[in-house]
Amino acid sequence: DIQMTQSPSTLSASVGDRVIITCRASQSINSWLAWYQQRAGKAPKLLILRASSLERGVPSRFSGSGSGTEFTLTISSLQPDDAGTYYCLQYYNLYNFGQGTKLDIK
Amino acid sequence: QITLKESGPALVKPTQTLTLTCSFSGFSLNTAGVGVGWIRQPPGNALEWLALIYWDDGERYSPSLRSRLTITKDTSRNQVVLKMTNMDPVDTATYYCAHRHSTSGYPFDYWGQGIVVTVSS
Repeated sequence: DIQMTQSPSTLSASVGDRVIITCRASQSINSWLAWYQQRAGKAPKLLILRASSLERGVPSRFSGSGSGTEFTLTISSLQPDDAGTYYCLQYYNLYNFGQGTKLDIK
Repeated sequence: QITLKESGPALVKPTQTLTLTCSFSGFSLNTAGVGVGWIRQPPGNALEWLALIYWDDGERYSPSLRSRLTITKDTSRNQVVLKMTNMDPVDTATYYCAHRHSTSGYPFDYWGQGIVVTVSS
């Protein structure tokens, strides 16, 4: 089983801030990593696939990078609509989610 | 337009078997590469992948829950069914079904709204 570890667990930032969330895999997953945003009471929404490809319709302030075991999700200029919990997902070997990063807007 | 919707009981008793149905539209489970998966989320906790079925009847299960899960598909009715045996209060969660894109390298892209299942006597 591949373990996914996200950091930080919680994050509070202001509108306009640059935000970085990290995800680490317990073994190499090449670039088979996705990022999701989940707003309260809603289903997750796909933001990034293959570590760095932006899903259609997702604002360009979201970006992903990394390969192997270390990955980051960056929000270049935080907007009020970005509040929620962010999850990484490895799909190299079956599927494993990270434990989530809750992002609050100050 | 791809849509998925989960249905099933809102309440099950401990030791019972949970049966959930995912009804979908906008795609076919006959298309090469396509899959439908199940993911759950206990209240206030993280997402957990449970199972996936492919267009070619291939099945994948979470190793920790494999002995309790069965996933099947009815292509003619556009439905995928998940059965989970021996339910326990720790299985209380929102259960989602999701579409896996046919293109290699694509994860789950479309999700249902989720169904809340409570396990209690």
